[in-house]
This record gives sequence, structure tokens and C-alpha cells, in this order.
Amino acid sequence: GEDVEQSLFLSVREGDSSVINCTYTDSSSTYLYWYKQEPGAGLQLLTYIFSNMDMKQDQRLTVLLNKKDKHLSLRIADTQTGDSAIYFCAESFTGGGNKLTFGTGTQLKVEL
Amino acid sequence: GAVVSQHPSWVICKSGTSVKIECRSLDFQATTMFWYRQFPKQSLMLMATSNEGSKATYEQGVEKDKFLINHASLTLSTLTVTSAHPEDSSFYICSARGLAGGKTGELFFGEGSRLTVL
Repeated sequence: GEDVEQSLFLSVREGDSSVINCTYTDSSSTYLYWYKQEPGAGLQLLTYIFSNMDMKQDQRLTVLLNKKDKHLSLRIADTQTGDSAIYFCAESFTGGGNKLTFGTGTQLKVEL
Repeated sequence: GAVVSQHPSWVICKSGTSVKIECRSLDFQATTMFWYRQFPKQSLMLMATSNEGSKATYEQGVEKDKFLINHASLTLSTLTVTSAHPEDSSFYICSARGLAGGKTGELFFGEGSRLTVL
């Protein structure tokens, strides 16, 4: 079955860049997503990448996909305290009916 | 983006009672809604897929008689936790996909409902 792994915790200083990593096992994924969850709240879609792309940039966010190594990363430039949250990567599959498999989540803490 | 609302956001109940959680798509029609469960400091686990007008499809290991799902309209799905017990305490999150769907298959998530069973 699908398995999506992330580091549990990352701490960075305000203004630095954050890189959150994700590895997955199923190579048939169609789209890969990054979601942000603030305490006690639902999920907010940050960005996504189609599986035939290597990189996608959206303002402060850069997504890199290494399909060979099944590795996805999210880089947040100029990290702010408001970026403190849990970040989940997720993948969906062709014919999967939009079912998402979520990673274990990475808690990002931004310190002053 | 589209808005999905859950109600209640927090509920505390006694063991043995049933609790209903609503998931509404406020500004779009959702043919498909998904119900997730999230334990503290853990990822989201898909419980079931709810299709308007038909029976829900449950993931392996999820008791359909325990977690009743009804998707009676294109804007409302409900999850009823029957005879709740303390181990059912969790954060329940729904997501919805619109009629158009979009090429990304983007899902819009509710704010979540925290259930505490005493």
C-alpha cells in the first residue's frame, strides 16, 4: 500500500528558509500536494505539483519533485512566525477518485 | 477558494450517546465528500468516501454501523458516531470536491470537529 513519510519536527529562525521533506513509495501518484494545518483547524491547500513536473514556484513556496527517488520537498523562503504550523504532503492517484494519502506531518516552529 | 463548513466545531458527550457532525459546502455543490479522522499529532486517516445519493464507501477497518454517513444533498454530508466511546474521541475533518472537480482534483477542507467522549 501507499506509505508517505515526513520528518516530525523542524525548527527555523524567522527570516531563514525552511525545507520540509517528504518521501513516498507509490510511483503511480498523479498529483502531490502540500497542506498547512494550524492548531485546531482544518487543512489549507498551499500548493500542488503534477507528477511529470520537477519544480513549481509560487511566491515564497518552491516545490521540488524527484520522481526517481520518490522525494518531494517544500521550501518556504523568508519564513515568518505565521508559518508555524503542521505541514502535510499528500498524494493522489489516477483513478483514485481524489482520495488522498497523507504523510505523517511535519511540525514547523519558527523562532524569533 | 471554496468554503466548506463543519458543525459543531467542538462537542463533548457522554459515553453511549450518538453525535452527528455536519459538513456543508457553502458556495459550491459537492458530489463527493470525504471524512477523515485525525488523532493528536498524527496524520489524517481516510474513513469513508461519501457520494451524493448513494451509500458511502468505507475504508478497511472502519465500522460502517459505528460511523453512519449520509450525503442527502449536494451541499451536505453528515457523520454520525453512534454509541460513542472514549476511544472515538478524535478530530474529524471533512473535505469536498465540487461538480467541476478541476484538473487538480483539489479538495476543500472543513475546519474540523473535535469530539470528546467522556
